[in-house]
Amino acid sequence: DIQMTQSPSSLSASVGDRVTITCRASQGIINYLAWYQQKPGKAPKLLIYAASTLQSGVPSRFSGSGSGTDFTLTISSLQPEDVATYSCQKYNSVPFTFGPGTKVDIK
Amino acid sequence: EVQLLESGGDLVQPGGSLRLSCAASGFTFSNLAMSWVRQAPGKGLEWVSAIGGSGGGTSYADSVKGRFIISRDNSKNTLYLQMNSLRAEDTAVYYCARTTPYCSTTSCYISGLADGRDVWGQGTTVTVSS
Repeated sequence: DIQMTQSPSSLSASVGDRVTITCRASQGIINYLAWYQQKPGKAPKLLIYAASTLQSGVPSRFSGSGSGTDFTLTISSLQPEDVATYSCQKYNSVPFTFGPGTKVDIK
Repeated sequence: EVQLLESGGDLVQPGGSLRLSCAASGFTFSNLAMSWVRQAPGKGLEWVSAIGGSGGGTSYADSVKGRFIISRDNSKNTLYLQMNSLRAEDTAVYYCARTTPYCSTTSCYISGLADGRDVWGQGTTVTVSS
């Protein structure tokens, strides 16, 4: 099975900072990658799918890029409400594995 | 209102069984693939299982294959997860989701987004312990 890794596992940044999270697949998955945001005690929320397509209603400060094995999620200007854990998920084939997550908080 | 409401979570002994339900409302349930995702305490998300709109095309994570069965009753707009031979490592919050990866014979995509909405349930807690 394809393994998903993320880096960093956690980060702390200031409001207004540009934040980049990396997701790597152990084999190529074309662009079949989604990004989710999850706040404590809440269900995941879809941010990005097809590696770079912004889900309806998601603020434009979130963006995704990449293809093949390497992907990034960027928050262009970190806001207090962005404190959460961010996870990638590959969906080129079963199993639809999630990455381990990146916890983002405010410095 | 578009909504998913899970139920059935409980404390169960190792080796026991439990059936989770997810009642859907506000959309045409029978047209859409659905899935279950879980999150163990303090851990990340784990995809568990998915099922096609007609009930065919089931898939499972290796960790639950042979023990869990996903099914649906489109007449009742309800998704199920039958969990057998439960282990301590199955302890988690279980979410049902309309936002579901789906692979046809030609491509893969995230199903359930046609109306622009990302729809998940609130989660139900399963604890496996003696």
